Amino acid sequence: SAVISQKPSRDICQRGTSLTIQCQVDSQVTMMFWYRQQPGQSLTLIATANQGSEATYESGFVIDKFPISRPNLTFSTLTVSNMSPEDSSIYLCSARKEALGEQYFGPGTRLTVT
Amino acid sequence: GENVEQHPSTLSVQEGDSAVIKCTYSDSASNYFPWYKQELGKRPQLIIDIRSNVGEKKDQRIAVTLNKTAKHFSLHITETQPEDSAVYFCAAPRANKLTFGTGTQLKVEL
Repeated sequence: SAVISQKPSRDICQRGTSLTIQCQVDSQVTMMFWYRQQPGQSLTLIATANQGSEATYESGFVIDKFPISRPNLTFSTLTVSNMSPEDSSIYLCSARKEALGEQYFGPGTRLTVT
Repeated sequence: GENVEQHPSTLSVQEGDSAVIKCTYSDSASNYFPWYKQELGKRPQLIIDIRSNVGEKKDQRIAVTLNKTAKHFSLHITETQPEDSAVYFCAAPRANKLTFGTGTQLKVEL
């Protein structure tokens, strides 16, 4: 298994500002992902964080709005840029060790934009 | 791409009864199907998974069955307990990424 931590756990931000969320895994993993979860909703994949190269974004998500870094096999960051109230959500980091297998989630970052 | 449908959206059972949640998927090449449990305010937790080379997998009170021909898989919880109350998500792979179902709110009543 993999133990995943995220910082911050929650934040309240003003519109127009940016927030960077950090994700740390306790062991090297092959794949890291960032998801968004609105209250009472399912998990929506934002992007796959690729080590040493640009992230792969899903339809509806763009790099200018959600820049992602992954400098090594255990760490990634997601920035939510130029925030608006519509960005209020829970952002979850996720990781797995194999190309396809057990996938684990971080505790999430609850973001509120005012 | 993969499309995952999950039913029912809510399920209420009496303690001790069984609960069954069903998911269908669209990509016949999918070969790995996990189930997650998410308690209120917590992270999704992997509770059981199944690969396409088996039809059923059990872990104590939880089991998952897979019908590749019909492209559906189900989560079975027996002897339900109040601590089973949570939202359950199924998922299926699309390339190396998981597509999640819409979730089932399970409530186990005393």
